[in-house]
Amino acid sequence: GEDVEQSLFLSVREGDSSVINCTYTDSSSTYLYWYKQEPGAGLQLLTYIFSNMDMKQDQRLTVLLNKKDKHLSLRIADTQTGDSAIYFCAERRSNSGYELNFGKGTSLLVTP
Amino acid sequence: DGGITQSPKYLFRKEGQNVTLSCEQNLNHDAMYWYRQDPGQGLRLIYYSQIVNDFQKGDIAEGYSVSREKKESFPLTVTSAQKNPTAFYLCASSIGDRYQETQYFGPGTRLLVL
Repeated sequence: GEDVEQSLFLSVREGDSSVINCTYTDSSSTYLYWYKQEPGAGLQLLTYIFSNMDMKQDQRLTVLLNKKDKHLSLRIADTQTGDSAIYFCAERRSNSGYELNFGKGTSLLVTP
Repeated sequence: DGGITQSPKYLFRKEGQNVTLSCEQNLNHDAMYWYRQDPGQGLRLIYYSQIVNDFQKGDIAEGYSVSREKKESFPLTVTSAQKNPTAFYLCASSIGDRYQETQYFGPGTRLLVL
């Protein structure tokens, strides 16, 4: 199937903001998700956004959705060393039943 | 506590052997999923089940089999036909609502070939 694209690596200093970007494939995708995976662990749902929204904020997390460009971003404010992990973007296409289409993940490294 | 459990955490397979990975959920979710994760790769869907006694193949079903005899359980068998089984296997579940499909994941099982 078509790919959800993410950059592979991002390095930021502790206390700075991190912005992780994602380009998805289906302009009619209904929901878009951000998951976090720590080493050796499963995926933890961070947040999701419905396609009729432009922005969603949840504590330190801000999700921005640009439907015209099919671009999704996750901003983490005041990034901490505990935020170091792999972040996956996923889309639920409108015609895919229950399936999610995942990107390959962005490895975020937070340095002191 | 509600959640998804997977066992074992690590599993070793010998040549020609079938192995079964367990996935149990007590979230009362209708839908369950199996994904495979390889280093540097995203998640690839192996099988999914929307309801008891029914399941569908995902993108990479060859060499795998599943069953869904109970709502809370969705075991995955890696058969000897799967020639490259070394990977991290993730189970997920969701309510099964077509309009709000949030999947929750278990902790994963790492399968290694001896």
